[in-house]
Amino acid sequence: GAGVSQSPSNKVTEKGKDVELRCDPISGHTALYWYRQSLGQGLEFLIYFQGNSAPDKSGLPSDRFSAERTGGSVSTLTIQRTQQEDSAVYLCASSFLPKKNQPQHFGDGTRLSIL
Amino acid sequence: SQELEQSPQSLIVQEGKNLTINCTSSKTLYGLYWYKQKYGEGLIFLMMLQKGGEEKSHEKITAKLDEKKQQSSLHITASQPSHAGIYLCGAPGGGTSYGKLTFGQGTILTVHP
Repeated sequence: GAGVSQSPSNKVTEKGKDVELRCDPISGHTALYWYRQSLGQGLEFLIYFQGNSAPDKSGLPSDRFSAERTGGSVSTLTIQRTQQEDSAVYLCASSFLPKKNQPQHFGDGTRLSIL
Repeated sequence: SQELEQSPQSLIVQEGKNLTINCTSSKTLYGLYWYKQKYGEGLIFLMMLQKGGEEKSHEKITAKLDEKKQQSSLHITASQPSHAGIYLCGAPGGGTSYGKLTFGQGTILTVHP
């Protein structure tokens, strides 16, 4: 498909475990973004990668969260020692460089549930 | 930090009625995006507004940006059940933070046939 692809679509894990969420952006998009959507907080920015520049990590809620983007394409968001408050839908988006005329296109998200 | 306030929080209309959703920013707007989301799915891009006074339309949906009021409105004409969903406005940060979108809390739209 031509859209942003995220896997898994659902993930249930026990508190304290580590999880990895994957995002495959639209081909040719140089910018990639991670957001989190939860009932209490709405949709929140986490991190974004733009080309070869250092990522903007200013939205990551704690040092348990990290993300990497290999080869300028696929990205992985890792949450270590998961807590119940990490339960949310994690959305990935991509765009051409984040300039004024470039909208972000979103995947369907990974629904993460921490037991 | 920037905050976006959407109103109303939810809206129930009869098919065929017109409706308006508003999005007001606490800070200067450097552009405004409108997205639609259905439960369990990602966000679908609707429109992007970049300049004050700009107005864009797609099918029966029109969006306007008023930079002076730091506000945008989304208007749906002759609503249909297919318009039902959650509408979200998102605003980019300024300068090098343009990629960081701040979103409103969303407006839940229900359209009764």
